[in-house]
Amino acid sequence: QAVVTQEPSLTVSPGGTVTLTCGSSTGAVTSGHWPYWFQQNPGQAPRTLIYDTSNKHSWTPARFSGSLLGGKAALTLSGAQPEDEAEYYCLLSYNGARVFGGGTKLTVL
Amino acid sequence: EVQLVESGGGLVQPGGSLRLSCAASGFAVNSFYMTWVRQAPGKGLEWVSTIYSGGGTYYADSVKGRFTISRDNSKNTLYLQMNSLTADDTAVYYCARDTGALNYERFDFWGQGTLVTVSS
Repeated sequence: QAVVTQEPSLTVSPGGTVTLTCGSSTGAVTSGHWPYWFQQNPGQAPRTLIYDTSNKHSWTPARFSGSLLGGKAALTLSGAQPEDEAEYYCLLSYNGARVFGGGTKLTVL
Repeated sequence: EVQLVESGGGLVQPGGSLRLSCAASGFAVNSFYMTWVRQAPGKGLEWVSTIYSGGGTYYADSVKGRFTISRDNSKNTLYLQMNSLTADDTAVYYCARDTGALNYERFDFWGQGTLVTVSS
């Protein structure tokens, strides 16, 4: 199965902007991979932030947005808050199978 | 109210079997794709298996041939039968409501997880 890659860690200043990316070993990520982004805090179940590349759930803060950028899926956080410090995972679909990225530990500092 | 409650986790010896359950309420499991995701201690999320509303099933290579996803529509419950377990299967197992007919029904609900420990 494909390998999905994410930055292992990123740091953003409070109020700053950061972009997390999600790449695929099979080539460019497209909308056909139905990219998802999840946020997970320690000891908790994941929470879905973005689905189908750029769609937000009702609970997704407006400061998060999803897109395709340079052949990868991207999650942009604009105006980082301390509560955004968490692990972020992307998920791509491959004809029925799904693969998670390794996760990005986001520090707000 | 939509809820997913996993059960069936516990301690099992290598080579043993376990069946996880995910009891759903507030919706019909056979109307959605349903997915199992696991997370080994201190590690990232790993997709395990998905069952489509039409019944099609998909598995990660790491569990193919050992795990079976199924559902009981009368009990509105999702299952994961796990056989030939190894230490690498030790993880918290989550069930999730994956995809529904409406655009926003996309991984919108998760269970709290159940811990499976494979050890002698």
